Amino acid sequence: GQNIDQPTEMTATEGAIVQINCTYQTSGFNGLFWYQQHAGEAPTFLSYNVLDGLEEKGRFSSFLSRSKGYSYLLLKELQMKDSASYLCAVSPPGGGATNKLIFGTGTLLAVQP
Amino acid sequence: NAGVMQNPRHLVRRRGQEARLRCSPMKGHSHVYWYRQLPEEGLKFMVYLQKENIIDESGMPKERFSAEFPKEGPSILRIQQVVRGDSAAYFCASSPVTGKLSGELFFGEGSRLTVL
Repeated sequence: GQNIDQPTEMTATEGAIVQINCTYQTSGFNGLFWYQQHAGEAPTFLSYNVLDGLEEKGRFSSFLSRSKGYSYLLLKELQMKDSASYLCAVSPPGGGATNKLIFGTGTLLAVQP
Repeated sequence: NAGVMQNPRHLVRRRGQEARLRCSPMKGHSHVYWYRQLPEEGLKFMVYLQKENIIDESGMPKERFSAEFPKEGPSILRIQQVVRGDSAAYFCASSPVTGKLSGELFFGEGSRLTVL
């Protein structure tokens, strides 16, 4: 089966840097994803890691260590609009080209002035 | 270019009634996924469909729930004889036909079902 763990809530200050961690235990692995979800809105895709290392995209970066079953999402120069839930998701093996994802419960980030 | 369209956005039903949720994928997308999000819980995969075919329904309850994606028209998630535990946000997502995994699902705004 799959188990994905991430902190429930985090608080950070505008302009600062925050790191949201995600650990996973799965019977296989086909990639790790981060999505952002504002309250009452649709989740939106942020990043995708399939190989070890850091992927940078503007203010957001995502890191993956497959041997440790660990990922983090790094948000720099925090803005108030970054207040949202951040969802870690894993693609199970054997899915071929399917985008079926297994999601964690999400980390609710509150950015304070 | 419209995104994934879901309707209704909010639906209230009494126990025992039927709920029908509709999803029109993004233009050019032929893969549709349904997810359920309960309060304080993550998105749970329910079913994956392509046009006229159910590919993976491993996350769908065996009873009362069904899904379809006809050749013409939107995908429909149908819940019969609803119970209070069915109250949740139901999200539809679509992805284009690709030969490789990209992880980029495009989600709709969700349909929030409340069962009284």
